[in-house]
Amino acid sequence: AQKVTQAQTEISVVEKEDVTLDCVYETRDTTYYLFWYKQPPSGELVFLIRRNSFDEQNEISGRYSWNFQKSTSSFNFTITASQVVDSAVYFCALSEAGNAGNMLTFGGGTRLMVKP
Amino acid sequence: NAGVMQNPRHLVRRRGQEARLRCSPMKGHSHVYWYRQLPEEGLKFMVYLQKENIIDESGMPKERFSAEFPKEGPSILRIQQVVRGDSAAYFCASSPLKGFYEQYFGPGTRLTVT
Repeated sequence: AQKVTQAQTEISVVEKEDVTLDCVYETRDTTYYLFWYKQPPSGELVFLIRRNSFDEQNEISGRYSWNFQKSTSSFNFTITASQVVDSAVYFCALSEAGNAGNMLTFGGGTRLMVKP
Repeated sequence: NAGVMQNPRHLVRRRGQEARLRCSPMKGHSHVYWYRQLPEEGLKFMVYLQKENIIDESGMPKERFSAEFPKEGPSILRIQQVVRGDSAAYFCASSPLKGFYEQYFGPGTRLTVT
């Protein structure tokens, strides 16, 4: 069975600091996808990234970067030079090829607070 | 291109009443997922539907909950005889095809049972 663990329930940083959100996953499938979503205080869920299990290249998008390491079953998310607007709950999620519906299994989320 | 729409955004029900939550997927999307977020918890999958078919309802509580996605109109998540423990945010997501496409989420319906 699949599982996603986000060990950090809450992180507080000061603006302009770099911060890394950890995500560790468990799956028996060799084909799977990993996702990150952002949930700002307004409550909606914003898609950030999708990564498939065959692509271990790290990805950078502006101040965001993702580090995918199959050897440690981790898919960590780093925000560089954090800003107050980055304050949100961030969810890591997993979807397995074996699931007929490709539903997402979410981690418990990490609440990031960026203080001015 | 309008996103996933959910209504109502907020719903208050007394214990024992019925709650109906509606979800209109993005244009061109034929796959709908429902997830529930209990207070201070992550999101949990409930049900996956295609038009007129329930594909996977492994995350649905066995009683009082049902879902449909008719040929015409929005997907409906129905909760009968609500209890306080049903208070949560219910999110709908849609994707264009089966497969590893990102699911786009609606703004959610926050259900409060008094």
